Amino acid sequence: GAVVSQHPSRVICKSGTSVKIECRSLDFQATTMFWYRQFPKKSLMLMATSNEGSKATYEQGVEKDKFLINHASLTLSTLTVTSAHPEDSSFYICSAQLPTSGSTDTQYFGPGTRLTVL
Amino acid sequence: EDQVTQSPEALRLQEGESSSLNCSYTVSGLRGLFWYRQDPGKGPEFLFTLYSAGEEKEKERLKATLTKKESFLHITAPKPEDSATYLCAVQNGGFKTIFGAGTRLFVKA
Repeated sequence: GAVVSQHPSRVICKSGTSVKIECRSLDFQATTMFWYRQFPKKSLMLMATSNEGSKATYEQGVEKDKFLINHASLTLSTLTVTSAHPEDSSFYICSAQLPTSGSTDTQYFGPGTRLTVL
Repeated sequence: EDQVTQSPEALRLQEGESSSLNCSYTVSGLRGLFWYRQDPGKGPEFLFTLYSAGEEKEKERLKATLTKKESFLHITAPKPEDSATYLCAVQNGGFKTIFGAGTRLFVKA
């Protein structure tokens, strides 16, 4: 149980194009999903919190117009990197939150998407 | 400010050499402490949730323990396939989850 998928797993695009990454919770419904960015040998950097049916909450320093997040259903959140540049190349990981007790929510992660912008 | 500190940053073990990874935390209103395993190029894989001091959980060669200030991930007789980055995270009273920087474990055959 608690499986999260991401698509695509790898994407290479030209500078200036937009790329959409999908995150799906396969066997549970998630009102909250998260998007992270990870640099080589570094820990997770939270970019934004995605709530179903409402606007995403972005962390300080993350450009909301560049990283568009849509959480249209309880099982799907999408991250669109608009007008991508080489500095946007990174490993993007999503997670979906599942209540696991009366007082705790556990995040389950997708397998990640490797974005390379040429 | 809520904070999670993991040590050591990297740990090299011989196969069969048991050891422990440390996760020290300061948090306002601990709701849970999580351990994840992350392999290179993959997303983190959930291992354990600990809810209160004194709690212990085990999975194969891994055992996680929790006190009011820290958690340990004990690895008994590790194998090369246990090589990975182990992430610790805490959830505070406001349901925000804070991750540590991770410990990279290398187990040599």
